[in-house]
Amino acid sequence: GIQVEQSPPDLILQEGANSTLRCNFSDSVNNLQWFHQNPWGQLINLFYIPSGTKQNGRLSATTVATERYSLLYISSSQTTDSGVYFCAAAYNTDKLIFGTGTRLQVFP
Amino acid sequence: KAGVTQTPRYLIKTRGQQVTLSCSPISGHRSVSWYQQTPGQGLQFLFEYFSETQRNKGNFPGRFSGRQFSNSRSEMNVSTLELGDSALYLCASSPLRPSYNEQFFGPGTRLTVL
Repeated sequence: GIQVEQSPPDLILQEGANSTLRCNFSDSVNNLQWFHQNPWGQLINLFYIPSGTKQNGRLSATTVATERYSLLYISSSQTTDSGVYFCAAAYNTDKLIFGTGTRLQVFP
Repeated sequence: KAGVTQTPRYLIKTRGQQVTLSCSPISGHRSVSWYQQTPGQGLQFLFEYFSETQRNKGNFPGRFSGRQFSNSRSEMNVSTLELGDSALYLCASSPLRPSYNEQFFGPGTRLTVL
């Protein structure tokens, strides 16, 4: 089945900095999603992006399906951006395969 | 529109007991999936239901089971609990097939097995 890898595993930033999180996947995808897991464990939807580019405020994402990767950009980081970011993908199966996540810490 | 809801939010059980978790999907969503999150194994797919039928199952023992009702609400059951079943259990819903539709997650049920 499809494999999903995320990098970097940890990221420490100062408030105001920009960052790029990467997600590589091993096969074609029909579904590619980015999530932010809050301290209480809930997965918050950031982007549904099997291909193309989307933007939502300070966050944007790009998926290049032909090269099997997706990028999540966070600009002007805030302390509230801290947490774990997950990428998840699915191809012709109705189950999302999750990466191991990127733990982001933003300090004031 | 209300989001995915899960009950209970926290649960403490002892080894050997059984537990039932509940999930109500977003109104109009017909697919419900369950995932287990542990520090060691990360987020893993348990099973997916659509129109009361289990369409996909992950690599978990038979102690893990589930069902979906005609109103799309779903329950999962774990029998003969083991310490390793301690985890955050997340439910997700999507309009139709998760492989082609965005999935939305509930707040989770945190299960502790003593």
